[in-house]
Amino acid sequence: DVKVTQSSRYLVKRTGEKVFLECVQDMDHENMFWYRQDPGLGLRLIYFSYDVKMKEKGDIPEGYSVSREKKERFSLILESASTNQTSMYLCASSDRGRKQYFGPGTRLTVT
Amino acid sequence: AQSVTQPDIHITVSEGASLELRCNYSYGATPYLFWYVQSPGQGLQLLLKYFSGDTLVQGIKGFEAEFKRSQSSFNLRKPSVHWSDAAEYFCAVGLNQAGTALIFGKGTTLSVSS
Repeated sequence: DVKVTQSSRYLVKRTGEKVFLECVQDMDHENMFWYRQDPGLGLRLIYFSYDVKMKEKGDIPEGYSVSREKKERFSLILESASTNQTSMYLCASSDRGRKQYFGPGTRLTVT
Repeated sequence: AQSVTQPDIHITVSEGASLELRCNYSYGATPYLFWYVQSPGQGLQLLLKYFSGDTLVQGIKGFEAEFKRSQSSFNLRKPSVHWSDAAEYFCAVGLNQAGTALIFGKGTTLSVSS
């Protein structure tokens, strides 16, 4: 079974803190993704990566950056967390059939 | 720009009744189309996908979807709904030519009444 794991299920951070969300997949997938999910807005793509050290902006990249130093790991970075970044963050990876496998999500609260 | 519209925010269906969830997309070329389901407290699971070929696609759990290019639609159907189908359903279209990055609709919440 494909496994996508995220470092935390719940996270509480203060405004202005630098926040790292980690995602690891164990199926050697080239493509990895970060989404945020908000009620009534569905999932919105923040960034994705199709290879190590490669990244592409999604719909809502502002306030975020990413890092992919190893194929299995894709990190989302909030340089200076703000309250409007309180959300559920979902990581995914995809196989060559374009099926996306999602992690369990990290619920981030910024106070 | 690509976009996905799910016109129905919330639908309630009686158990055993048929279901149709609507999805309209905007995309310049032949789209890659997906339906995902998210049960309460669960992660997202792929129900089915369309890339090319037969416009009627069969998925898991008895779901099917029909691609209609003329209507820019990819509606999800099930002939007889079960209580366990209560969940949130998301339609998605491939953002790039490889179809790997996805744009999701805002979702439709399905409630099933007994």
